[in-house]
Formats: sequence, structure tokens, C-alpha cells
Amino acid sequence: EVQLVESGGGLVKPGGSLRLSCVVSRFTFSNAWMSWVRRAPGKELEWVGRIKSKSNGGTTDYAAPVKGRFTISRDDSKNTLYLQMNSLKIEDTAVYYCTVTDNSGWHVLDYWGQGTLVTVSS
Amino acid sequence: EIVLTQSPGTLSLTPGERATLSCRASQSVSSTYLGWYQQRPGQAPRLLIYGASTRASGIPERFSGSGSGTDFTLTISRLEPEDFAVYYCQQYGASPLPTYAFGQGTKVEIK
Repeated sequence: EVQLVESGGGLVKPGGSLRLSCVVSRFTFSNAWMSWVRRAPGKELEWVGRIKSKSNGGTTDYAAPVKGRFTISRDDSKNTLYLQMNSLKIEDTAVYYCTVTDNSGWHVLDYWGQGTLVTVSS
Repeated sequence: EIVLTQSPGTLSLTPGERATLSCRASQSVSSTYLGWYQQRPGQAPRLLIYGASTRASGIPERFSGSGSGTDFTLTISRLEPEDFAVYYCQQYGASPLPTYAFGQGTKVEIK
């Protein structure tokens, strides 16, 4: 079974930075498109951004609320996805999930990690 | 920007009953890019349906999806105790920029 394990969450002050990691196993990570999705307390799921596989250009796309502040990257040698979060705001408080993103034409989020909690508070 | 509106917000049912969940898009969307997810308390979301009507691997037959255009439905034919959870619909849009939009969720609770 595909396994995704996020880490790196915690408490950070507004304006601070944090880097999340997601290790993927039992899946061909290098071929995978990956996304980060978050869920703020009491709110719905919100897509954060996506990175394509290197064979598809390795390009990234971001949701408007995080564009310019968050950066998604990947290390295929480590089967690891990253989310660098800078200039954090209180409204970035959420559980952050990494997901394997379908790239065969359906564009759904096939597999999800358990999530890591990010709390932005002074 | 596509907005997905799910209804009802909460559905109170008993095990064995049929659940019908609605997802309405603010404009016509491709059914190819419509998915449904289940999130149980304290767990990660799980893909149930893709392409509006195709069950994901390992998903029981009691889950079915239908719809086209702006109106989509997730039906659970007979609720099992483990089906009481929150359900989200999701739509992929490619233009002008890629985005994955989610509905606000429907909570199916035990009556």
C-alpha cells in the first residue's frame, strides 16, 4: 500500500518560515505528480499547489493565497516532497496533507498522507 | 473560478439507509475531472470516485457517483457504520491556471 508521511509542522510566529517534508514509499515517486492540500480549522479542504514529475517538466503551480510565499520542490533520490512556507500568516494555520496527484487525465488526488499541523500564532 | 456548493451541509441518517449527496458547480464542468472523497474523523481523506462515476480501487459497490454539467451526486446505497464521515467533491480546472477546487463538504452523521 502506498504510504505518505508528512513531517515538519509546528508552531511558528506570523512572518516566520517553516519547511514541511513528505516521504513517499511503495510508489514510483519520480513519475508522480504531487500536491499539497490543507484544511484550516472548521473549513473545507484547500489545494495549495502542485509539482509535476521531472519527465513532465517539474513545473509548479500554486493557489492564489500562497503564490509568492510558498515553494514546492522534490528530491526524487529521497522520494521526498517539500513545502517551503515563508511569510506565514495566521490564516495559514491548518493541517497540511501531501497527496499523489493523478496525471493520467482524471486529475484527482489518489493517495493522501495523514497530515501535519501548522499553527501560526504570536 | 469554479465554485462547488455541496448540499446538504449535514445529513442525519441511520445505518442501512440510503444517502444522497449533491455537488453543484457554478458553471458547467467536465465530468472527467470530478472526484469525491471521504474523510473520517482524525483520518486523511480517501479518494472514492473519479471521473464523476468510477469507483477508485478498493471502494465498495455501495458507493456510486453520477451527474454531468453542473450537478453531480454521490450515493451510498446502504450506510455502514464506517460511512459516517465528511464527504467532499473536487473539480480540476486547467484554465487560466491549474487549480483543484473543493466543495465545503457534507457531513453524514448518525441520527
